[in-house]
Amino acid sequence: NAGVMQNPRHLVRRRGQEARLRCSPMKGHSHVYWYRQLPEEGLKFMVYLQKENIIDESGMPKERFSAEFPKEGPSILRIQQVVRGDSAAYFCASSLFRPPYEQYFGPGTRLTVT
Amino acid sequence: DQQVKQNSPSLSVQEGRISILNCDYTNSMFDYFLWYKKYPAEGPTFLISISSIKDKNEDGRFTVFLNKSAKHLSLHIVPSQPGDSAVYFCAASGTNNTGKLIFGQGTTLQVKP
Repeated sequence: NAGVMQNPRHLVRRRGQEARLRCSPMKGHSHVYWYRQLPEEGLKFMVYLQKENIIDESGMPKERFSAEFPKEGPSILRIQQVVRGDSAAYFCASSLFRPPYEQYFGPGTRLTVT
Repeated sequence: DQQVKQNSPSLSVQEGRISILNCDYTNSMFDYFLWYKKYPAEGPTFLISISSIKDKNEDGRFTVFLNKSAKHLSLHIVPSQPGDSAVYFCAASGTNNTGKLIFGQGTTLQVKP
């Protein structure tokens, strides 16, 4: 049973470009979470989604960031007009059941904004 | 406002001995706690969890203890192995079931052969 998949593993974008991060949850998992780890900091919750629904986006910056988890295909975290402060590791996690329950993390996407 | 705190940035133990990692929290609404291990350039790996209705949960070499009155939990690893060297994060979840995990800053464990 494959784990949580994320791609790309590394992404370099210039300021002002768009970044698209993809996450495929573990098989059978319908709950997806996105977290961000800034340099020298712990993981910070961004958003929790179920298929076609955003359940909690309280950790998402108000502008430029959006997330979706369509009926078919991976979950996408989209960052428009990236700035240097967006450089971080972005982790996706999934769970089999609704919270509270163990969340299993992917390897992360390391975004570098130049 | 750091609701989950791991006050020891690092810990070093000898192989075969016990490793004890500590975590404190401030929000009494947290009712589910988890420990994760993380290697550099990888995602966190789930280790063990505990519900607030319990005070202890054991899985192999890993045991988590929860002291609700002190708002404190700890992870015991016995016996410690060099492969356990990693950053350990505790995380907490609240009763509103939003899915949000609040993470501590992490403790770097080094197990010396």
